[in-house]
Amino acid sequence: AQKVTQAQTEISVVEKEDVTLDCVYETRDTTYYLFWYKQPPSGELVFLIRRNSFDEQNEISGRYSWNFQKSTSSFNFTITASQVVDSAVYFCALSEPNNAGNMLTFGGGTRLMVKP
Amino acid sequence: DTAVSQTPKYLVTQMGNDKSIKCEQNLGHDTMYWYKQDSKKFLKIMFSYNNKELIINETVPNRFSPKSPDKAHLNLHINSLELGDSAVYFCASSPTSGGAYEQYFGPGTRLTVT
Repeated sequence: AQKVTQAQTEISVVEKEDVTLDCVYETRDTTYYLFWYKQPPSGELVFLIRRNSFDEQNEISGRYSWNFQKSTSSFNFTITASQVVDSAVYFCALSEPNNAGNMLTFGGGTRLMVKP
Repeated sequence: DTAVSQTPKYLVTQMGNDKSIKCEQNLGHDTMYWYKQDSKKFLKIMFSYNNKELIINETVPNRFSPKSPDKAHLNLHINSLELGDSAVYFCASSPTSGGAYEQYFGPGTRLTVT
């Protein structure tokens, strides 16, 4: 069975600090997909990134970067020079192509608070 | 243009009532979903619907029934509402099933059962 764990329920940082959100997953499939979503206080879910299990290259997009390590089953998300607008709940999610229905399994989320 | 829309945004109703939430996507996607987010922000899949094939999460009570009149719409009907049904319900869509594609979410419907 697939499972996603985000051990950090809440993180508080001061603006301009770097912060890393941890994500650990469990799956028996060799092919799978990992995602990060952002849920700002307004409530919508915003897609950030998708990674497939065969691509372990780290990705950088502006102040955001992602570190995918199959050896530790982790897909961590780092925000560099955090800003108040980064305050949100961040979800890591897993999808297995062989599971019926293509359903996303979400972690419990990490609430990030960036203080000015 | 809104990609995935839901109506209503807020829904307050009494126990025992029947209610529906509507979802529409204009992305041309083949697969649609319903997720439930509880008060602790935990997100859980309820249904996946692709090409008239419905995949149901076995933990969902049969009081919940998705209805899809066409590929662009997936509505959620709930019978005999209970206090525990209070949550935010998200509709989502993806180009196809198979897990390779990100899902695009609607703005959510906050359901409060009193």
